[in-house]
Amino acid sequence: AQSVTQLDSHVSVSEGTPVLLRCNYSSSYSPSLFWYVQHPNKGLQLLLKYTSAATLVKGINGFEAEFKKSETSFHLTKPSAHMSDAAEYFCVVSDDYKLSFGAGTTVTVRA
Amino acid sequence: DTAVSQTPKYLVTQMGNDKSIKCEQNLGHDTMYWYKQDSKKFLKIMFSYNNKELIINETVPNRFSPKSPDKAHLNLHINSLELGDSAVYFCASSQGHDSGGVETQYFGPGTRLLVL
Repeated sequence: AQSVTQLDSHVSVSEGTPVLLRCNYSSSYSPSLFWYVQHPNKGLQLLLKYTSAATLVKGINGFEAEFKKSETSFHLTKPSAHMSDAAEYFCVVSDDYKLSFGAGTTVTVRA
Repeated sequence: DTAVSQTPKYLVTQMGNDKSIKCEQNLGHDTMYWYKQDSKKFLKIMFSYNNKELIINETVPNRFSPKSPDKAHLNLHINSLELGDSAVYFCASSQGHDSGGVETQYFGPGTRLLVL
């Protein structure tokens, strides 16, 4: 069975500083990995996905993630946080049709 | 031009009632899903239909019954509602593997169910 572990339940950053959200995965074969974002009282929006074409994946809103097979990690980064980045972030692994979600990381951005 | 839509957005009801949540997607996708997000924001799949056929049925009480009248719609009916059913329910859809071999799911805005 595949699973993901988000290493931080809460991350607080100042506006304009880098954001790092950590995710480790467990998979018996080459996984499909995603990051989704959920703003307060909103649905889930796809930020980016790993397709095995490139280990560094660029997503929307300036986010990117790096797939490291040796470390079984798929960490999400953004060089400069914006107030609008305050949200819940989910790392997700796919077993074909079935998605397994991490517990989520709450990001707060200080002015 | 909403891709995946759900109705209602909010649902407040009494224990023991029966309620339905509707989901529609206009993306032309073949596969649709229902997820439950609990109070700790943990998301778990409940059901999935592919071309109106049930393909995923997780360990969900049989008070929950999905119905897919066509491949653009997947409704969720809940009988005899219980306090523990209070959650946010998300519908999603997907369309096969892309050129990178990845099946991407697109989510609706969610239905916030509160059982009193």
